[in-house]
Amino acid sequence: EDQVTQSPEALRLQEGESSSLNCSYTVSGLRGLFWYRQDPGKGPEFLFTLYSAGEEKEKERLKATLTKKESFLHITAPKPEDSATYLCAVQAWGSQGNLIFGKGTKLSVKP
Amino acid sequence: NAGVTQTPKFRVLKTGQSMTLLCAQDMNHEYMYWYRQDPGMGLRLIHYSVGEGTTAKGEVPDGYNVSRLKKQNFLLGLESAAPSQTSVYFCASTETDAGNNEQFFGPGTRLTVL
Repeated sequence: EDQVTQSPEALRLQEGESSSLNCSYTVSGLRGLFWYRQDPGKGPEFLFTLYSAGEEKEKERLKATLTKKESFLHITAPKPEDSATYLCAVQAWGSQGNLIFGKGTKLSVKP
Repeated sequence: NAGVTQTPKFRVLKTGQSMTLLCAQDMNHEYMYWYRQDPGMGLRLIHYSVGEGTTAKGEVPDGYNVSRLKKQNFLLGLESAAPSQTSVYFCASTETDAGNNEQFFGPGTRLTVL
């Protein structure tokens, strides 16, 4: 069964304190791994897609990496505006685009 | 481009009432999805469509029906609402399941069933 587990459930950081969020997955043939950001009361906003082990993508203070079993979202020198819930999802080959989501990590960055 | 829009934004129903949630996208996407999001459960797929006139069941389809009569619209129906269907509903779309196939999400509909 395809499955995604995110840890920690919640993370509180001070502004400027770098850290990483983890996404562990099991999937029958990974087509892609997706990271989304979700602000309270809003829909998920796309951040990255990773397709193969060893791939890395960056956007401002965020960097996503992928291995055969997990993905990390590294946050460097976070700011309060980075506070949000970060969602990880996997897509299997032949799934007609269906995504399996983890439960998310709620990040709070205090000034 | 408005992207993905959802109507209504909020709704309160009594048990047994029916309603339809509307999702519209202006990106000419082939694939569309309906999810529900509950505290501690994450996003779960209800139904999806890979093109006009097609629909398929997702992970949690019971109690819901869908229709895709026009490419740009995907409707989610609740025939007889139950308190267990209290949730936030999100619609998403993507071009196809090839290439850059990220899903674009709407702003959500918050539904309460009393």
